[in-house]
Amino acid sequence: ILNVEQSPQSLHVQEGDSTNFTCSFPSSNFYALHWYRWETAKSPEALFVMTLNGDEKKKGRISATLNTKEGYSYLYIKGSQPEDSATYLCAFDAGGTSYGKLTFGQGTILTVHP
Amino acid sequence: DARVTQTPRHKVTEMGQEVTMRCQPILGHNTVFWYRQTMMQGLELLAYFRNRAPLDDSGMPKDRFSAEMPDATLATLKIQPSEPRDSAVYFCASGSGQGGYNEQFFGPGTRLTVL
Repeated sequence: ILNVEQSPQSLHVQEGDSTNFTCSFPSSNFYALHWYRWETAKSPEALFVMTLNGDEKKKGRISATLNTKEGYSYLYIKGSQPEDSATYLCAFDAGGTSYGKLTFGQGTILTVHP
Repeated sequence: DARVTQTPRHKVTEMGQEVTMRCQPILGHNTVFWYRQTMMQGLELLAYFRNRAPLDDSGMPKDRFSAEMPDATLATLKIQPSEPRDSAVYFCASGSGQGGYNEQFFGPGTRLTVL
């Protein structure tokens, strides 16, 4: 059983604050690390797929970094806006014969207050 | 705008009844996943297929759940007989699965309530 953990479980910030949260995953048998954004009453949507140690991805105000040797990834949101409120999920792909199969963390629930 | 579709969107049924949920993956995607969202487990994988072949259904209660892909455009998840503890949102996702690091595209989900 793969252990994918996210912290914190929930986060409340004020509009304009920058924030970050963590995903930890097994450092062995790494293939890829995915980040998804999941708004209430909607479906998860892919943000990033990260594959190489030291990878850094950016999409607008959201960016992510990856450390495969120590088994963690950070997601950063700069200048949070109320529309950033969502659950952010990370998911680990161990590759091999089961590449594409994702083990999801429990998510970080972000609430951005106007 | 290609997207994964799921039917029905909502289903209320009584304990013991059969429930069938359907998913149409994005055209050209050959990997299909079934997930269940629960408060306790978050997003848990029930089963997945590549090129219509089942690869892993270890997350699925075998005695009552079954998943199939009768063709490349349809995946089904059946529960027979259904129980109140099966109440959850069931998501289907598809990916291009050609190796590489493909993201998964999720459908809108089927909200199942078993009374």
